[in-house]
Amino acid sequence: EVQLVESGGGLVQPGGSLRLSCAASGFTFSSYWMSWVRQAPGKGLEWVANIKQDGSEKYYVDSVKGRFTISRDNAKNSLYLQMNSLRAEDTAVYYCARAYYDILTGYYIDYWGQGTLVTVSS
Amino acid sequence: DIQMTQSPSSLSASVGDRVTITCRASQGISNSLAWYQQKPGKAPKLLLYAASRLESGVPSRFSGSGSGTDYTLTISSLQPEDFATYYCQQYYSTRFTFGPGTKVDIK
Repeated sequence: EVQLVESGGGLVQPGGSLRLSCAASGFTFSSYWMSWVRQAPGKGLEWVANIKQDGSEKYYVDSVKGRFTISRDNAKNSLYLQMNSLRAEDTAVYYCARAYYDILTGYYIDYWGQGTLVTVSS
Repeated sequence: DIQMTQSPSSLSASVGDRVTITCRASQGISNSLAWYQQKPGKAPKLLLYAASRLESGVPSRFSGSGSGTDYTLTISSLQPEDFATYYCQQYYSTRFTFGPGTKVDIK
């Protein structure tokens, strides 16, 4: 059974940093692109970042470029999101997600973790 | 970035109704479109990918269609457990984008 378990969320002051982790199990982690997606309270889903299987390619939404860094440790079956210079608008539930490859159309998200809440407030 | 729009933003329907939600991309996305269902306090759940391919375990009352920039999610006969918010998402670009969502509630 595929499991994605996020941790590391919490309350942080504006300008502060936080590192989110995602522990993956039930599949060969090193074979999949992985993603972070967030959802502000009462709002819709926003894709944050993607990382390739070997970490050689990373993509970010413009609003977090230069502040957030996605990374992975395939030996530990873990995905990370380092978040620096946090702003109030970064307040959201952050989901770890697996991207599955469809030969015709590309990588799509098929499994999601339960999310971890990040609150940026003084 | 590819922008995604959805219509309507919300709708009220009754059990047994046929429901259609539309998603439009700002450029052609070659069927690289997924649909998700989300219930309050829960993670999204994949319903369809490649615009029309049903994810394993998803009831057949859900279907998808479309091409180019315009796509549709149809629920053929709405069930009580289908009241939720639905999102489309393009994965044609490695910079994914989601639609704003369509909330389906009880009439």
